[in-house]
Amino acid sequence: DAKTTQPPSMDCAEGRAANLPCNHSTISGNEYVYWYRQIHSQGPQYIIHGLKNNETNEMASLIITEDRKSSTLILPHATLRDTAVYYCIEGRGNEKLTFGTGTRLTIIP
Amino acid sequence: KAGVTQTPRYLIKTRGQQVTLSCSPISGHRSVSWYQQTPGQGLQFLFEYFSETQRNKGNFPGRFSGRQFSNSRSEMNVSTLELGDSALYLCASSWVQGALGANVLTFGAGSRLTVL
Repeated sequence: DAKTTQPPSMDCAEGRAANLPCNHSTISGNEYVYWYRQIHSQGPQYIIHGLKNNETNEMASLIITEDRKSSTLILPHATLRDTAVYYCIEGRGNEKLTFGTGTRLTIIP
Repeated sequence: KAGVTQTPRYLIKTRGQQVTLSCSPISGHRSVSWYQQTPGQGLQFLFEYFSETQRNKGNFPGRFSGRQFSNSRSEMNVSTLELGDSALYLCASSWVQGALGANVLTFGAGSRLTVL
């Protein structure tokens, strides 16, 4: 069973920042937080991951709270192509990664 | 570099038949994971292979099996197909940085199986 909790859906205006929350209250000290997204009927796409520190790459930023019980994925300037289902997952190297139901993000023109 | 390649992309089978799906991972990736995605159940973990050994297994019946070859390519097989096996089957490969490292999955486009 998935160990993370995400809102089922969110809307965001095009050009604005999309902030997607995730709760992972049972995360252990050596488990990473990963974010993936899936555009309709395609394979999920990796976005970003982090352990303790905030992370940023060309796609997004990941903000992890100090107690590591929750995180936020930030898409700084959302475009219509960012409409997708976003999955937050926790896990570590040799364990299976279990996907939950994710957040369906809709970017509104 | 080439991504994860899954074949076939689409296939139609009838109940009772069996099917074999293939996955070629990214070069250098030794871990291959398989997932089943259906509208009702979402993404469900099937199994993971690492260095030709099944390392993790999901909660699927024995009709679902897999294997990994020495070149890390993997196949999964579903025997005695049921209507409920209709799904998108996704393969993902990763280069796992040890037991405590990150495990970043790269997914293929999937094989869409329809069982009639």
